[in-house]
Amino acid sequence: AQSVTQLDSQVPVFEEAPVELRCNYSSSVSVYLFWYVQYPNQGLQLLLKYLSGSTLVKGINGFEAEFNKSQTSFHLRKPSVHISDTAEYFCAATFNNDMRFGAGTRLTVKP
Amino acid sequence: NAGVMQNPRHLVRRRGQEARLRCSPMKGHSHVYWYRQLPEEGLKFMVYLQKENIIDESGMPKERFSAEFPKEGPSILRIQQVVRGDSAAYFCASSPRTSVGNEQFFGPGTRLTVL
Repeated sequence: AQSVTQLDSQVPVFEEAPVELRCNYSSSVSVYLFWYVQYPNQGLQLLLKYLSGSTLVKGINGFEAEFNKSQTSFHLRKPSVHISDTAEYFCAATFNNDMRFGAGTRLTVKP
Repeated sequence: NAGVMQNPRHLVRRRGQEARLRCSPMKGHSHVYWYRQLPEEGLKFMVYLQKENIIDESGMPKERFSAEFPKEGPSILRIQQVVRGDSAAYFCASSPRTSVGNEQFFGPGTRLTVL
């Protein structure tokens, strides 16, 4: 069965520190991968996506993610976080046109 | 080009009343998806619609919930006889017919509170 797993429900980090939010997927078919961010009381905004080509994908707000087919992962990274990055982050994958979301990771950036 | 519109943004209902949530997709988008987000939980797929057709409703509760996307007008998610457990944020997303990877564009959500 196809699924998306976000390994960390909460990630606290200090401002200007690097961060990695982990995402793994399980699928027997080709996938497309996405990261969305949700700020408090708002909808989801696309951060970045992997459709094909280079496995390192750069998104908005300084985020990037790397598609690793052998490890079935699509971890999100940022070298230096800001207070304003505090939000909920969702990894999503499309399997045969069905999009499924992970449970989300709450990133809290502390001063 | 306006984004996905949802209204109302906040909706309060008493137990047993009906809730109607509206979603206007982005211009040119013919695919609509509804998701539910319970407090402290992720997004759960509910239903996928195209104009006048329900394509996948595998995530919809079997009773009290229904969705439509008429030829004209917004998509409607309808919840009859609401209960406290229906309190959640309901998000609509849309995509164009030829969306590679099925990238979806999300609305701001409707936050339903059942008293």
